[in-house]
Amino acid sequence: DIVMTQSPDSLTVSLGERATINCKSSQSLLFNSNNMNYLAWYQKRPGQPPKLLIYWASTRESGVPDRFSGSGSGTDFTLTISSLQAEDVAVYYCQQYYSIPSLAFGGGTKVEI
Amino acid sequence: QVQLVESGGGVVQPGRSLRLSCAASGFTFNNYAMHWVRQAPGKGLEWVAVTSYDGDNKYYADSVKGRFTISRDNSKNTLYLEMNSLRSEDTAVYYCASHDRHFDWLLPFHHWGQGTLVTVSS
Repeated sequence: DIVMTQSPDSLTVSLGERATINCKSSQSLLFNSNNMNYLAWYQKRPGQPPKLLIYWASTRESGVPDRFSGSGSGTDFTLTISSLQAEDVAVYYCQQYYSIPSLAFGGGTKVEI
Repeated sequence: QVQLVESGGGVVQPGRSLRLSCAASGFTFNNYAMHWVRQAPGKGLEWVAVTSYDGDNKYYADSVKGRFTISRDNSKNTLYLEMNSLRSEDTAVYYCASHDRHFDWLLPFHHWGQGTLVTVSS
C-alpha cells in the first residue's frame, strides 16, 4: 500500500507570510501513460467537510484563491499558501488517488497564525 | 448542484451494527463511483470504502474489511455503509464523497457530504 507522509505536523505563520507544506509518497504517483500525478490537497476546518483545493498535484479547484498552489512530481509534493489569511487556519491533507484499494491521506498539517 | 446528505449515525454499543445512508442529488448518481471517508476525533482523514458506479466492484480499507459493506441503490440515488462488529476505534464522523467525472474512481474527491457522527461506546 502507498503511504503518504506529511511535514511538518503543524506550522505557525504570520498573516501575509508564506506557508509551505510537504507531502511524500512511498511510491511514485506519476502515471506514465498520461504524465499526470495522482495527488490532491484538501483543507479541513473544524465542523466542516474537507474541501478540495488542488488536484493533479498542481491544478487549482474552481473558486480556490490563487494564493494556494501545488507543485512537485513523482514522490515529493508541496502545497504553498503564498500570503496567509486568517481564513486559511485549518488542517491540510494530501491524498493519493493513484491506487485502489488504499486511497491514503497524509497525516495532516495544522496551520495556525 | 451536487448535494450529498448522510444520515444514520448515532451511539451504538461495541459489537453491534449500524447502517449509514447518503442521499445524492444534483447529478446522475448511477454514473459515478462513490466513497466513504471517516475522521475519528482528533485524528486525520481515513478512506474507508469505494463502490463503482454500477455497484459491481467494491474495495475496502484493511481496518474495516470483513466488517463493513458498501452498497448503493441507483434507483433511489442512495449510497449505504453497513457496519457490523463495531469497535470503539470506529468512532468517527463518516463522510460520503464523489468525483466530478463519471465512471472512473482514480480521481480526487470534488464533492463531500456534511458527515454523520458514529459513536461506539458502551
